[in-house]
Amino acid sequence: EAQVTQNPRYLITVTGKKLTVTCSQNMNHEYMSWYRQDPGLGLRQIYYSMNVEVTDKGDVPEGYKVSRKEKRNFPLILESPSPNQTSLYFCASSLFLREKLFFGSGTQLSVL
Amino acid sequence: GDSVTQMEGPVTLSEEAFLTINCTYTATGYPSLFWYVQYPGEGLQLLLKATKADDKGSNKGFEATYRKETTSFHLEKGSVQVSDSAVYFCALNLPGGYNKLIFGAGTRLAVHP
Repeated sequence: EAQVTQNPRYLITVTGKKLTVTCSQNMNHEYMSWYRQDPGLGLRQIYYSMNVEVTDKGDVPEGYKVSRKEKRNFPLILESPSPNQTSLYFCASSLFLREKLFFGSGTQLSVL
Repeated sequence: GDSVTQMEGPVTLSEEAFLTINCTYTATGYPSLFWYVQYPGEGLQLLLKATKADDKGSNKGFEATYRKETTSFHLEKGSVQVSDSAVYFCALNLPGGYNKLIFGAGTRLAVHP
């Protein structure tokens, strides 16, 4: 089954404790992206990747890192999480961006 | 800057009622337009799309027409069901903008029996 898999689904952590949210897709998509969803703001792009070893900042990249060492994986790294990073995070992928995006089920992060 | 504006929710309807969710956009050039739907506890799924002016996207009884003159892409359905309860997002992709979709804030729809 074609899918984007994110883990974990829920994560509660404390300020400053490094964490990684994993994302994997099995559709051989070149494009992958991370979004955060906040009430009243919709989805805002954090980082995106056009292919292996090619990543770039989205609209809200501060406090986040990403890597794309393999085509299928695109982890999101928070080196020193802060409470303002409490949000619902989505990973997405597509073959070409003007085609549809496939979304993961989301990761609800709470930073205390 | 480029942006998408959706009507605020929640929208509450009875089953079989007519649905309209308004979406307008601001963009340079001629974007592609999308409606995504998010069911409770799930990620977003593409509902329909339109890539040029006057195109009509349709799926699962939902329709939206790309209106360049009014910069709008309103979502409609003639008869909603309880299973349509979800959050609906309007989005655009800029020509040559292979990096992202720009999303509206989302509109929550609740359909009651």
